[in-house]
Amino acid sequence: DAMVIQNPRYQVTQFGKPVTLSCSQTLNHNVMYWYQQKSSQAPKLLFHYYDKDFNNEADTPDNFQSRRPNTSFCFLDIRSPGLGDAAMYLCATSKRLGGKNIQYFGAGTRLSVL
Amino acid sequence: DQQVKQNSPSLSVQEGRISILNCDYTNSMFDYFLWYKKYPAEGPTFLISISSIKDKNEDGRFTVFLNKSAKHLSLHIVPSQPGDSAVYFCAASASTFNAGNMLTFGGGTRLMVKP
Repeated sequence: DAMVIQNPRYQVTQFGKPVTLSCSQTLNHNVMYWYQQKSSQAPKLLFHYYDKDFNNEADTPDNFQSRRPNTSFCFLDIRSPGLGDAAMYLCATSKRLGGKNIQYFGAGTRLSVL
Repeated sequence: DQQVKQNSPSLSVQEGRISILNCDYTNSMFDYFLWYKKYPAEGPTFLISISSIKDKNEDGRFTVFLNKSAKHLSLHIVPSQPGDSAVYFCAASASTFNAGNMLTFGGGTRLMVKP
């Protein structure tokens, strides 16, 4: 029973063509995160939502935006993908911020930019 | 500046033996540590965690040890099984951070358990 679901699993886009990745959760968690992971590097946090409050990491490029229309769904929009944006994008959720924080991850969307 | 480091990119172990994965951190504010396992083409799966008030936490074949003075933690898998072959990420968080304990990940260690 998948709890954090990412669609699509693989996405191919063209250089400069906007793309949207989606994430849904059945855990009813308050917090949703988006990470970028390249090759075998550590996942890099892009931003997170705590309920409807959006928190951007300082070094996240403006090219990356996010929307959370309701508790269950969160979207990652890449306005003008460059070749350097090809990566695995991971969505994660946690019940809350603060205290002991276990994040639960989706299977990821692998983005290719041609 | 990598605050969480896994210095061994890969580890090969014989089935039935112990696997020891290591992780070092630099930020003394970290007070909660997690291990995640990642299979190819899947997202990281939570494995085990430990709070800084403990020095050991055990869950079946998996044990995490924390040495706060050395800023070092390790994951022991006994006995190792071929299905344990995956990339293991160490992660840390600090409950006192204003942003609310975001996870900082290490670079991962690829474990290969040979039959």
